[in-house]
Amino acid sequence: EPEVTQTPSHQVTQMGQEVILRCVPISNHLYFYWYRQILGQKVEFLVSFYNNEISEKSEIFDDQFSVERPDGSNFTLKIRSTKLEDSAMYFCASNRQGGIYEQYFGPGTRLTVT
Amino acid sequence: QKEVEQNSGPLSVPEGAIASLNCTYSDRGSQSFFWYRQYSGKSPELIMSIYSNGDKEDGRFTAQLNKASQYVSLLIRDSQPSDSATYLCAVIHSGGGADGLTFGKGTHLIIQP
Repeated sequence: EPEVTQTPSHQVTQMGQEVILRCVPISNHLYFYWYRQILGQKVEFLVSFYNNEISEKSEIFDDQFSVERPDGSNFTLKIRSTKLEDSAMYFCASNRQGGIYEQYFGPGTRLTVT
Repeated sequence: QKEVEQNSGPLSVPEGAIASLNCTYSDRGSQSFFWYRQYSGKSPELIMSIYSNGDKEDGRFTAQLNKASQYVSLLIRDSQPSDSATYLCAVIHSGGGADGLTFGKGTHLIIQP
């Protein structure tokens, strides 16, 4: 069964550094999403991406964040200058048709900012 | 602000019994409703989706939706220790574009052997 994959599983970085989190969505899916979950808190939507552009974004997704689909398979989240409060699990998700349909999540990247 | 509310628990249920999980949402225009299961340190795993009023059954799981009351529930029959996890209710607010899911905080379910 196809799965969303994410790398790395754990990233440790120093405050102020740039990080890139990578995701490979399910191959026939067209809509891609990033979420984050701070330890002990709820899963929060960051951004959705369709047809090589951002479709929706939340208030969390400010200028320090960017997303890109650099090739036909990868989907990346870049955090330009990490802060301590960016420490969280970051989940990538994808679905076939966007809108109201089911989203499938990858295993996540645990980002630790020191 | 669009909110999804769940009782955080823990909800303790004996093995073999029915576990009942509840969720309310604030946006009356919400279109789609999902239940995810999340084990500690893992990602959300989709269990059920429901789009119209009534019941939807899949194996031991039944999702129930009442849009008039803005209420979604998940029943787990014949609960097993492996069902012990946090159950997340998630909502899509509109049918357009690629809306993100709004999640509740989750209900921690414990199945007692």
